[in-house]
Amino acid sequence: AQSVTQLDSHVSVSEGTPVLLRCNYSSSYSPSLFWYVQHPNKGLQLLLKYTSAATLVKGINGFEAEFKKSETSFHLTKPSAHMSDAAEYFCVVGAYNNNDMRFGAGTRLTVKP
Amino acid sequence: KAGVTQTPRYLIKTRGQQVTLSCSPISGHRSVSWYQQTPGQGLQFLFEYFSETQRNKGNFPGRFSGRQFSNSRSEMNVSTLELGDSALYLCASSSTSDTGELFFGEGSRLTVL
Repeated sequence: AQSVTQLDSHVSVSEGTPVLLRCNYSSSYSPSLFWYVQHPNKGLQLLLKYTSAATLVKGINGFEAEFKKSETSFHLTKPSAHMSDAAEYFCVVGAYNNNDMRFGAGTRLTVKP
Repeated sequence: KAGVTQTPRYLIKTRGQQVTLSCSPISGHRSVSWYQQTPGQGLQFLFEYFSETQRNKGNFPGRFSGRQFSNSRSEMNVSTLELGDSALYLCASSSTSDTGELFFGEGSRLTVL
């Protein structure tokens, strides 16, 4: 079975400062890991994905995440927050070749001017 | 190419009624998944269809059902609506490559009065 735990339900940063959204995963398989973003009243958009290639994954809008097997973590980072980054972020685990995706509870990112 | 299209975007029903939601996946995608999103429970997996067959099912009562047509379009139905069924229902499609990347529609927001 697989699951993810997002360690923070809410993160608040100032514009221009770094962003760190934390995610730990559990998986019986070699996992595929994803980060999705959801802006208010919108569907989810893929930010980035890890599928056993490079452990440092670069995504859209300057986000990146590092897969650390020893720590079972897949934290999302961005060097400098922008006001448009304010949204809900979901960490997701899925087994390769299996669409049984498990979503974390989400982290709401607030960006202060 | 066109994204995932969900209809209707908003609807209001009363308790005891039934509702049908529609999802048109990205052209060429054969897998369609449905999720329920509520503030209290977050994103919960309902079911997934692949080539007209239900491949996975979440932990929802039998009032929630779905189907997929030969053109990959999918519908979900909720019968005997309850107040707790008020939610954003998200549809996601993915390709047969099965890397797990999901493409989401903007959702159907159901309000049950």
